[in-house]
Amino acid sequence: EDKVVQSPLSLVVHEGDTVTLNCSYEVTNFRSLLWYKQEKKAPTFLFMLTSSGIEKKSGRLSSILDKKELFSILNITATQTGDSAIYLCAVGIPDSWGKLQFGAGTQVVVTP
Amino acid sequence: NAGVMQNPRHLVRRRGQEARLRCSPMKGHSHVYWYRQLPEEGLKFMVYLQKENIIDESGMPKERFSAEFPKEGPSILRIQQVVRGDSAAYFCASSPRLLTGFTEAFFGQGTRLTVV
Repeated sequence: EDKVVQSPLSLVVHEGDTVTLNCSYEVTNFRSLLWYKQEKKAPTFLFMLTSSGIEKKSGRLSSILDKKELFSILNITATQTGDSAIYLCAVGIPDSWGKLQFGAGTQVVVTP
Repeated sequence: NAGVMQNPRHLVRRRGQEARLRCSPMKGHSHVYWYRQLPEEGLKFMVYLQKENIIDESGMPKERFSAEFPKEGPSILRIQQVVRGDSAAYFCASSPRLLTGFTEAFFGQGTRLTVV
């Protein structure tokens, strides 16, 4: 059965710290891995990764995929209180009409 | 270009009533996905629809739940005879084409259903 596991489940950091979130997956015929940020409302898209070793960056956020070891990490540098959210990892399930398999998420709390 | 619009944002229903959740996809998007998020859990896929067709409803409970995406108008997720366990946030996502792994889905703000 396809699985997406995120760790840690939650963490609390101080403003300015760096955060690393993990997402491991077991999916047959992997196609893509997506990261979303959820702040009490709609998950907002952050990154989509399809190739190993190519880092994607957006401001203080970056993400990379390792298709050999079947995991991805999401890094947030110089954290701000506005980074407090649940970060969701999802894997596109091939041959499933576009279904996304989500992990349970990592809750990040950034304290001033 | 407005995003994915869901309404209502909050819905309170008594046990046994019906709940109707609406989703208007982004302009130009003809693929709609419904997900349910239970408290402290990740999003779980429910159903995938294209205009006038249910493509994959493997995540839908067998009873009381139904979904449609008519030729005109929003997609509707309907829950009949709601029970307390139906209380959750229901999210709709849309995409312009089949998610083959090379596109992303855009989510609406969700409808938070509370059954009392």
